[in-house]
Amino acid sequence: DTAVSQTPKYLVTQMGNDKSIKCEQNLGHDTMYWYKQDSKKFLKIMFSYNNKELIINETVPNRFSPKSPDKAHLNLHINSLELGDSAVYFCASSQTSVEQFFGPGTRLTVL
Amino acid sequence: DAKTTQPPSMDCAEGRAANLPCNHSTISGNEYVYWYRQIHSQGPQYIIHGLKNNETNEMASLIITEDRKSSTLILPHATLRDTAVYYCIVRAEFDSNYQLIWGAGTKLIIKP
Repeated sequence: DTAVSQTPKYLVTQMGNDKSIKCEQNLGHDTMYWYKQDSKKFLKIMFSYNNKELIINETVPNRFSPKSPDKAHLNLHINSLELGDSAVYFCASSQTSVEQFFGPGTRLTVL
Repeated sequence: DAKTTQPPSMDCAEGRAANLPCNHSTISGNEYVYWYRQIHSQGPQYIIHGLKNNETNEMASLIITEDRKSSTLILPHATLRDTAVYYCIVRAEFDSNYQLIWGAGTKLIIKP
C-alpha cells in the first residue's frame, strides 16, 4: 500500500479556473504538509497541519487554501489559477520531527 | 534561505563510494543535519540525520566534523539507482513548525 498518495498525478487547466489536489496518508501520522517545487527545483513549504490545526502558513497567496477533513487527508484548493502556479506540488506527512514521508507529486500546468 | 551549501553536481562510478559534502558553518548547537534525496520525478526520501556523532544506517553514513561546520554523506557502494538530487538540511529537532528549508542540493550522477 502506498504510504502517501496524491491525486491527480497530472493536472492541466486554464488560467482563472479553480482546482483541487487531494492527499491521503495511511501512516497514522499527526502532521501533513504541502510543498511547491518550481521550475528551478526549489522545494518550498506552503502549509502544514497538525491535528487539524494549521501550524505553518508561509507567504502563500490566499488563493491557496488547505482543507483537512480528517487526520489522514490534507487537500489543497487553488482558486483563480495563474500561470505562476505551474509547478509540482508534493504532499508529505510525519509523526516526529525527524522524517517526512512524501507523496509522488502532482504536476500542475496552467495554460 | 537555506543554511547549507552544496556542490551543484557530482559524478561517481558505479560500485564506488559516493561522498557528498555539505557546508553548514552557521549551524546552531541544537540543530541537526538531515539528508534527503529526490530521484527524478519522485517525492523526496529521507536518508539519515545526525547531531554531532557519526551515524550509519542501511542507506548511508553521515560524517560530521568536530566543529559541526560541515558534513559528508557517504553512499558506500553506489548503484545506478542512487542517481538523484541530494539535499542537506539543518534544523532544530524540536522546531515546533517542523519546517525544512531546502537548498538547491547536489545532483549526483552514478556512471556505469
